[in-house]
Amino acid sequence: QVTLRESGPALVKPTQTLTLTCTFSGFSFSTSGMCVSWIRQPPGKALEWLARIDWDDDKYYSTSLKTRLTIFKDTSKNQVVLTMTNMDPVDTATYYCTRILGGTNGYYPDYWGQGTLVTVSS
Amino acid sequence: EIVLTQSPGTLSLSPGERATLSCRASQSVSSNYLAWYQQKPGQAPRLLIYGASSRATGIPDRFSGSGSGTDFTLTISRLEPEDFAVYYCHQYSRSPDTFGQGTKLEIK
Repeated sequence: QVTLRESGPALVKPTQTLTLTCTFSGFSFSTSGMCVSWIRQPPGKALEWLARIDWDDDKYYSTSLKTRLTIFKDTSKNQVVLTMTNMDPVDTATYYCTRILGGTNGYYPDYWGQGTLVTVSS
Repeated sequence: EIVLTQSPGTLSLSPGERATLSCRASQSVSSNYLAWYQQKPGQAPRLLIYGASSRATGIPDRFSGSGSGTDFTLTISRLEPEDFAVYYCHQYSRSPDTFGQGTKLEIK
């Protein structure tokens, strides 16, 4: 059974750095093609893809946010961490982590965490 | 990056009717690497369709996807009450991945 759970602060101040952790079970980075991505959704708005890390440690970032994002994994703990620097109120959103099992059908999220709401306010 | 435009923004239909949702890409989506997700209020998105036309595990056959290149369609053949939600298309053919702005399917 695949599960993902996001954790991190519910409230951050402008200019601070956000650190989010995705803790997962039911799959492993030892599997070729396994990836985890982060996607966010501002209240009432559309989904926005942020970053992805692959089983072989390849990393991909949103073009508009790449200077602020870092993604890394701790394979021993089954965790993926996303950091976002210089937070602004426009970054207020629900942040989701997702599982991707890539292959001949491409790399798309098939399992999603429940999401965690992060509010940026002083 | 590839921009996805979904239409209509809102679709008002009754249970039992057929729903047709459109997703148009600014550039060709190679290998038909396009997915559709359903999202209900307060919930995470749920994968419906991948590869433009393949149903995900457990998805009823009233949901179908079609299209290629730049034009894709999600069809719900006979709407059930639980189908009223927001639907997003997602291209994963070229990094960065992108999503459409969503179509809200509401009860008429």
